[in-house]
Amino acid sequence: EVQLVESGGGLVKPGESLRLSCAASGFTFRGHTMNWVRQAPGKGLEWVSSLDKSGVYTYYADSLKGRFTISRDNAKNSLYLQMNSLGVEDTSVYYCAREGPTGDFDLWGQGTLVTVSS
Amino acid sequence: QSVVTQPPSTSGTPGQRVTISCSGSSSNIGRNAVDWYQQLPGTAPKLLIYNNDQQPSGVPDRFSGSKSGTSASLAISGLQYEDEADYYCAVWDSNLSGRVFGGGTKVTVL
Repeated sequence: EVQLVESGGGLVKPGESLRLSCAASGFTFRGHTMNWVRQAPGKGLEWVSSLDKSGVYTYYADSLKGRFTISRDNAKNSLYLQMNSLGVEDTSVYYCAREGPTGDFDLWGQGTLVTVSS
Repeated sequence: QSVVTQPPSTSGTPGQRVTISCSGSSSNIGRNAVDWYQQLPGTAPKLLIYNNDQQPSGVPDRFSGSKSGTSASLAISGLQYEDEADYYCAVWDSNLSGRVFGGGTKVTVL
């Protein structure tokens, strides 16, 4: 089955770190650019970061201010998001999304909830 | 405040045609392809339209997309109760070097 499964979310305190994972299956993972998108409770979608097929070229939303790092392991069919210095504003469901040939997000995971609270 | 703007809500009765606008600028919609996503309550987003007006397989043909200049639109013809959801446009912004989503439009079927 073609799918993306996120994991690693949870409750953390402000200033702490967390690493999210996204396991891909059913398709050629190394053939796709991958993305993270987040959604705060009751709010809209916000693109977070993108990583090309080879893992060389990265893009980040300006709002992250260098706190997040995207990476991938093509041998393990996995995408990661290292999140540092977390603040309450980072509380969101984080989705992993596969990028299609024209830049669209054609496959999404079910999301993992990150809650930042003291 | 997103760099691409959508109306926060719209509504219609079953069978009606509704349209959702997505307004941007020359750095995003004016030069790059627009996608549309449907998010049903409590679920992950789903690709509805890609490359301005293309439908992925499995998407009902009552959904259609268009683009002109710095604006794009999603139309739902023959509105059904199951279409009640949030809809988002998305596009690459060449100035920001990042993808931007519209704020989302909630469609209510009356």
